[in-house]
Amino acid sequence: DVKVTQSSRYLVKRTGEKVFLECVQDMDHENMFWYRQDPGLGLRLIYFSYDVKMKEKGDIPEGYSVSREKKERFSLILESASTNQTSMYLCASRLRQYYEQYFGPGTRLTVT
Amino acid sequence: DQQVKQNSPSLSVQEGRISILNCDYTNSMFDYFLWYKKYPAEGPTFLISISSIKDKNEDGRFTVFLNKSAKHLSLHIVPSQPGDSAVYFCAAVSGYALNFGKGTSLLVTP
Repeated sequence: DVKVTQSSRYLVKRTGEKVFLECVQDMDHENMFWYRQDPGLGLRLIYFSYDVKMKEKGDIPEGYSVSREKKERFSLILESASTNQTSMYLCASRLRQYYEQYFGPGTRLTVT
Repeated sequence: DQQVKQNSPSLSVQEGRISILNCDYTNSMFDYFLWYKKYPAEGPTFLISISSIKDKNEDGRFTVFLNKSAKHLSLHIVPSQPGDSAVYFCAAVSGYALNFGKGTSLLVTP
């Protein structure tokens, strides 16, 4: 069974803080993704990584950066958190040769 | 611009009846589609998929139909159960990533 874990289920941060969201998968998946989910907007892709140290911008990368130093771990960084980054953040991974992505439980981030 | 559209934000169905969730797409280059189910405070879970070389795929109570000429797909759940109450997302493969619709919230009432 594929397991994708995220470091926190709930997080509250102040405006201007640097925020780290961690994601770990245990199935040797090459590709990893960060999405955010907002009411009425569905899931929107922030960044993805197709291999270690490789990253690509998604649809809404502004205000975010990522790091993938090891195959199993993909970090999302909010350089200076703002209230409009209050959202549910979802990490996903997949094997390169398949389309199905496996999601973690999500991190509900509130920026005050 | 939203390339995958789920025009019904919500749907209510009685237990035992059929639930039909619809999805439209605008990009004719999309050739693989997936449905995900999401409960509150959990990540989406993969439900069923379909390739554009097929027009139907079944898995137990779930069937996905694809009409390429209409750029339309639908998910049928028969019979619907209260545990099916969740948000359902349609997604199209777009390069490495998935292009998601906004979701349809399904409520199955006893």
